[in-house]
Amino acid sequence: DVKVTQSSRYLVKRTGEKVFLECVQDMDHENMFWYRQDPGLGLRLIYFSYDVKMKEKGDIPEGYSVSREKKERFSLILESASTNQTSMYLCASSPPGQPGGTEAFFGQGTRLTVV
Amino acid sequence: GESVGLHLPTLSVQEGDNSIINCAYSNSASDYFIWYKQESGKGPQFIIDIRSNMDKRQGQRVTVLLNKTVKHLSLQIAATQPGDSAVYFCAETHTGRRALTFGSGTRLQVQP
Repeated sequence: DVKVTQSSRYLVKRTGEKVFLECVQDMDHENMFWYRQDPGLGLRLIYFSYDVKMKEKGDIPEGYSVSREKKERFSLILESASTNQTSMYLCASSPPGQPGGTEAFFGQGTRLTVV
Repeated sequence: GESVGLHLPTLSVQEGDNSIINCAYSNSASDYFIWYKQESGKGPQFIIDIRSNMDKRQGQRVTVLLNKTVKHLSLQIAATQPGDSAVYFCAETHTGRRALTFGSGTRLQVQP
């Protein structure tokens, strides 16, 4: 089975801190994604990567950056955490050839609280 | 801009009944439509997808219907079981977009 593992289930950080969310997948997928999930808003795409060192902005990239130095790992970085970044963060991966990552495999999520 | 929305935030059904979850979309260029299921404490899980050149696709106990004329998508679950209780998301993508656009989700509650 494909496994997408996010390093933390719960995180509490202070305003202004630099925060790293880590995601690792074990199926050699080219595509990796970071979404945030908020009640009533569904999942919104922050960034995605279709190859090592390649990244593209999603729909809400402001305040975030990403890093993909190895194929299996995709990191989301909050440069200076703010309270409006309190959310559930979901990482996903998908194999190539699927339009838009149709059958994406998701991690269990990281619930981040910024105080 | 493009959007994918749902008609109802919560749907409550009796165990054994059929469930129908609806979704409206606005982007005429959408090529693929996908349904995901998210159980409590877990990430979303792929259920079924349908291409824009189809109007119906069946899986195991699930059927997805696509009406492009009115930009409407539905997920039908036959003989709903307690394990079907979850939040269901519709999503879409189209040529040139490398990721999915998700709707806001419908919570399905199965009553015993």
